[in-house]
Amino acid sequence: EDQVTQSPEALRLQEGESSSLNCSYTVSGLRGLFWYRQDPGKGPEFLFTLYSAGEEKEKERLKATLTKKESFLHITAPKPEDSATYLCAVDQGGGSYIPTFGRGTSLIVHP
Amino acid sequence: DTAVSQTPKYLVTQMGNDKSIKCEQNLGHDTMYWYKQDSKKFLKIMFSYNNKELIINETVPNRFSPKSPDKAHLNLHINSLELGDSAVYFCASSPRRGAYQETQYFGPGTRLLVL
Repeated sequence: EDQVTQSPEALRLQEGESSSLNCSYTVSGLRGLFWYRQDPGKGPEFLFTLYSAGEEKEKERLKATLTKKESFLHITAPKPEDSATYLCAVDQGGGSYIPTFGRGTSLIVHP
Repeated sequence: DTAVSQTPKYLVTQMGNDKSIKCEQNLGHDTMYWYKQDSKKFLKIMFSYNNKELIINETVPNRFSPKSPDKAHLNLHINSLELGDSAVYFCASSPRRGAYQETQYFGPGTRLLVL
């Protein structure tokens, strides 16, 4: 059973059509939740880290929020250049940094 | 200049061979990592290496071994390659262990295909 589940698997939006991506997790003792963006053929690009429930972070059209069970990545008025796969990962803490990734949400924004 | 670079970009080899992937970072970071991303885009951390301290993900077979000649380099050696090793391998770095969450930079990936 996956500890980190992302939904939907794929999302198609029209330019300007706001939406949210979901990342739910079942790990206990969350030390951090991370969002990354990955473009085809490239390595992941770090976006945000969230540490505690209620925390929010923003970057341009993206806003990440965190509750005790899930995180949302809100995309406001997306543009075609926001098309990418968005990955969520959680760190359960302990002595080592061993992040667990979800399978990602593939976002396509049509002009 | 590329912050984290990997060579080769593509690697096609036969089952049973031994191969290496090289990674270099010019950011002056203290910690480097290796990740594996399978065909379903599932990304898993394999190793982290900080100031000669190696942290191994226990699920990684011992056929995989990281080698760090200096702080700027972390190479990945794979012995007796198997079909299931086919994947994209990413190197990453961060300034120091405590800051990894904020500033982890990934390389472009090495696409390994084992025939």
